[in-house]
Amino acid sequence: QTVVTQEPSFSVSPGGTVTLTCGLSSGPVSTNYYPSWYQQTPGQPPRTLIYSTNTRSSGVPDRFSGSILGNKAALTITGAQADDDSDYYCALFMDSGTYVFGTGTKVTVL
Amino acid sequence: EVQLVESGGGLVNPGGSLRLSCEASGLTFRDAWMSWVRQAPGKGLEWVGRFKSKGNQATIDYAAPVKGRFTISRDDSKNILYLQMNSLKTEDTAVYYCTTVKAGAACFDYWGQGTLVTVSS
Repeated sequence: QTVVTQEPSFSVSPGGTVTLTCGLSSGPVSTNYYPSWYQQTPGQPPRTLIYSTNTRSSGVPDRFSGSILGNKAALTITGAQADDDSDYYCALFMDSGTYVFGTGTKVTVL
Repeated sequence: EVQLVESGGGLVNPGGSLRLSCEASGLTFRDAWMSWVRQAPGKGLEWVGRFKSKGNQATIDYAAPVKGRFTISRDDSKNILYLQMNSLKTEDTAVYYCTTVKAGAACFDYWGQGTLVTVSS
């Protein structure tokens, strides 16, 4: 069974930088998995932030950036704001034509 | 503006069936790849399945936990995506989101507000 692992939680100060990662149980994450990232606040549907590793979705501020770091996909928030206090999920597209979401990371800005 | 509106959620007994609908507007639905994603209460996101457009062979893929029990279909004349759920289990309790899939980028683009399905006796 494929497992996509994210850090359970992170705390960041306003104006600070935080990098979340997305790892795959079966091996390294590459661009071939089309990593994407989603932000979700309580009671709301997810919002698409990043797709195809590093492309920002329409309207997403440039303080959000995506990359591959080592063998994982990564989402970096540079200059964190109070509004960034949310849950973040990555998703990977598998060879089988299926998708797997990561376990999610709760980011607290304080 | 793309809008996705889910309906059909509710309370159902274990072993029962339910059909969800997702009405889409603001896009050329017949060309859209569509997906269902669910979220159990207090838990993370889980992909359920995806229906490619008929122009892309209308391929349908499902997640392992729902394969054989859930069926995704679409009516391009009405701009509606469906999720037929049979043999429901308590672990299927979740908010079910309808999403578009950005073709070529394998990401979930636009999201509906979701509809809650509760499987309980």
